[in-house]
Amino acid sequence: DSGVTQTPKHLITATGQRVTLRCSPRSGDLSVYWYQQSLDQGLQFLIQYYNGEERAKGNILERFSAQQFPDLHSELNLSSLELGDSALYFCASSTSSGGNPYEQYFGPGTRLTVT
Amino acid sequence: TQLLEQSPQFLSIQEGENLTVYCNSSSVFSSLQWYRQEPGEGPVLLVTVVTGGEVKKLKRLTFQFGDARKDSSLHITAAQPGDTGLYLCAGGVWGNAHGQNFVFGPGTRLSVLP
Repeated sequence: DSGVTQTPKHLITATGQRVTLRCSPRSGDLSVYWYQQSLDQGLQFLIQYYNGEERAKGNILERFSAQQFPDLHSELNLSSLELGDSALYFCASSTSSGGNPYEQYFGPGTRLTVT
Repeated sequence: TQLLEQSPQFLSIQEGENLTVYCNSSSVFSSLQWYRQEPGEGPVLLVTVVTGGEVKKLKRLTFQFGDARKDSSLHITAAQPGDTGLYLCAGGVWGNAHGQNFVFGPGTRLSVLP
């Protein structure tokens, strides 16, 4: 158990809909990262937040957005869903204060299926 | 755009054999991480290497970061069925303060047969 929690574990929705994925980092971790993993594209970095602020952006679509709240949990919002958005979405956390900032700990993931 | 390549893509070996998997790039990374992922689960961090030429050992696993910090290798001695999984390497790229973009390789899928 990495200490990172993600909800829900599974999500099935229709095209055009909007969903919110939730992540709670390990206790004490200030950074949260979101990744998308699909069969054909592997693990793709989406976005990083540090202590509530966006710090790095990867291949995140404009239909997707994220935020990190004062209690450090994070949400990834996916809108106008398309079939191609079906994937595993992972959240990872790391500490940049007193620990090794290079180490990420991954949650169990949310499997999104768009029908 | 930084890209990481991993080889081989698939590897099937018998229990007790040794193996090496590779992670290569034309880009320099601030750090290199290795993960193992099992189906339907999140990647689990195995090791982080930061310094060029660094070698780290974790029981039967030996990790090496290339001198130029562009490549890495993972060597497993006397593989066991429990080593079966998808091995991912990831390179860290510093953006701004506390901001990192991590680039993942496509993975090496290892199967160790009893």
